[in-house]
Amino acid sequence: SYVLTQPPSVSVAPGQTARITCGGNNIGSKSAHWYQQKPGQAPVLVVFDDDDRPSGIPERFSGSNSGNTATLTISRVEAGDEAGYYCQVWNTSSEHPVFGGGTTLTVL
Amino acid sequence: VQLVQSGAEVKKHGESLRISCKASGYSFTSYWITWVRQMPGKGLEWMGQIDPSGSSTKYSPSFEGHVTISADKSIRTAYLQFSSLRPSDTAIYYCARTYSLLPFDSWGQGTLVTVSS
Repeated sequence: SYVLTQPPSVSVAPGQTARITCGGNNIGSKSAHWYQQKPGQAPVLVVFDDDDRPSGIPERFSGSNSGNTATLTISRVEAGDEAGYYCQVWNTSSEHPVFGGGTTLTVL
Repeated sequence: VQLVQSGAEVKKHGESLRISCKASGYSFTSYWITWVRQMPGKGLEWMGQIDPSGSSTKYSPSFEGHVTISADKSIRTAYLQFSSLRPSDTAIYYCARTYSLLPFDSWGQGTLVTVSS
């Protein structure tokens, strides 16, 4: 089965840039999607197809994907960005979606 | 697009349960409905999905045989059914809309299921 690995936690000061990684074997050949989940709420799609944003998602959220690592970048971090973030791809061999273990972003 | 799930449930070990996910705002048969589990304090786990156009299903090996996913396109509703609940089924269950290789672009609000021994 295909495994996605995320760091459990990332901390950043307000106004700085947060980078959350998602490691997977040749993940660059797949489309990576990212979800934000605030406490007590359902997940929300923030980046899809590696680097696209749904309407309503601030430009501060961006993504990249190459080689064995996909990255979610949050610029000018705000207190309201504090949340869990999950990466997701489709395992094309099984046609099943796969989630990373999630990363908790703490704004210091 | 909106997915509205049924309310929280409190059940006992061995009981059965069906939770629902009602879709609106889009063509119900043009997208799959997928179910995702989130155990307390843990991450997201894909359970399985259904194509409401023909009711074909796929399951994660971790959940196959323990849950059943179904849909009634006449009322635009998908279901997740447990035949015999276990305390380890205590979790929040989310439905979400997707399609082949696409992201989960709309999510239900989640249904909390609590199973006591």
